[in-house]
Amino acid sequence: GQSLEQPSEVTAVEGAIVQINCTYQTSGFYGLSWYQQHDGGAPTFLSYNGLDGLEETGRFSSFLSRSDSYGYLLLQELQMKDSASYFCAVRDVNRDDKIIFGKGTRLHILP
Amino acid sequence: ETGVTQTPRHLVMGMTNKKSLKCEQHLGHNAMYWYKQSAKKPLELMFVYSLEERVENNSVPSRFSPECPNSSHLFLHLHTLQPEDSALYLCASSADRGSTGELFFGEGSRLTVL
Repeated sequence: GQSLEQPSEVTAVEGAIVQINCTYQTSGFYGLSWYQQHDGGAPTFLSYNGLDGLEETGRFSSFLSRSDSYGYLLLQELQMKDSASYFCAVRDVNRDDKIIFGKGTRLHILP
Repeated sequence: ETGVTQTPRHLVMGMTNKKSLKCEQHLGHNAMYWYKQSAKKPLELMFVYSLEERVENNSVPSRFSPECPNSSHLFLHLHTLQPEDSALYLCASSADRGSTGELFFGEGSRLTVL
């Protein structure tokens, strides 16, 4: 079957660095995406990894290792506004390109 | 502002009511989606439309009925719902079904079934 595993909660300090891991199991993998969702808001796209390696976008970076079925989202110089839920998602080409989401990781940031 | 607008933002209905959720995208996208978001559960894909044709129905109960009259509008018609259907219903769009994975979400319709 298909599944994505990510921690349910992570706590970090303002100004620090935090890594949110995601492991996946799908029948046909195409790419790994990350989304951010603030309370009461819409999920918003952060990054996409189609190939192995690191993608950097400002304070956020995302990494993929297809051989390990593993990826992570790295948030640097944490700000209070980064308190949100973060979802990893995979595109499964064997399921008509369906995008499957993880349960999300709630990031708590302490001052 | 994501370019995807959902109405109503909040809806309370009884189990015998009939209501509809509306989604409109202003991005020129060809694919639209309905997702259900419940507490402690992953986002669940309900329906996918590509170029106004339904291509995915994840075994959703028939009390949920989608409608896509054109590539910019998507509806979810609700009837005889159950309390366990209470959730946040999210609409999303993408350039096309096989794009790089970027979905643009609306802010959702929070549904409470009494």
